[in-house]
Amino acid sequence: GDSVTQMEGPVTLSEEAFLTINCTYTATGYPSLFWYVQYPGEGLQLLLKATKADDKGSNKGFEATYRKETTSFHLEKGSVQVSDSAVYFCALSDQGSQGNLIFGKGTKLSVKP
Amino acid sequence: DTGVSQNPRHKITKRGQNVTFRCDPISEHNRLYWYRQTLGQGPEFLTYFQNEAQLEKSRLLSDRFSAERPKGSFSTLEIQRTEQGDSAMYLCASSLTGANEKLFFGSGTQLSVL
Repeated sequence: GDSVTQMEGPVTLSEEAFLTINCTYTATGYPSLFWYVQYPGEGLQLLLKATKADDKGSNKGFEATYRKETTSFHLEKGSVQVSDSAVYFCALSDQGSQGNLIFGKGTKLSVKP
Repeated sequence: DTGVSQNPRHKITKRGQNVTFRCDPISEHNRLYWYRQTLGQGPEFLTYFQNEAQLEKSRLLSDRFSAERPKGSFSTLEIQRTEQGDSAMYLCASSLTGANEKLFFGSGTQLSVL
């Protein structure tokens, strides 16, 4: 079945460091891909998404490009801030199942001042 | 937009008891989803509704679990004869159309079965 694999955490970075969180997927169809973020004490929020190959999603300085050839959707940010400390989840939605998001296990990011 | 509201925030129960959770979605959203999240894992899909119709159920949703959305507004998730393995965070989300659109999540109900 469809699945999402993302890098294990936790990830600890200093402020202004470059961030990459790897995400790869397995899907039979042509999924849409998402990054959701969960800040401490808050619900999950959509960070960015891409619905077809080569699309780039971006928001709040974060970017991810839908790479069909490598089945990847890596999250990047050029300069992280303390306020980016959160748990990041990669997810996919298969075309055939409009109600079902499949999530990775999440990667906890801690940014130190 | 008051967000997705879930009640209660925490529930502690003894094994074998029944529990019910409530979710109030964003008012104009016609889709409502239930997910379950255990420690160190991502959310796992349980079921979703479009208006009052339950359109999809995961194999995770055993016959002890039942969800309703009687008037296409709020939803309830009931777990009968709870087991320790049911301990998890139960998340509700809503959206205007499908999962390809933005899902708005509530803060969840943390269930502990003793």
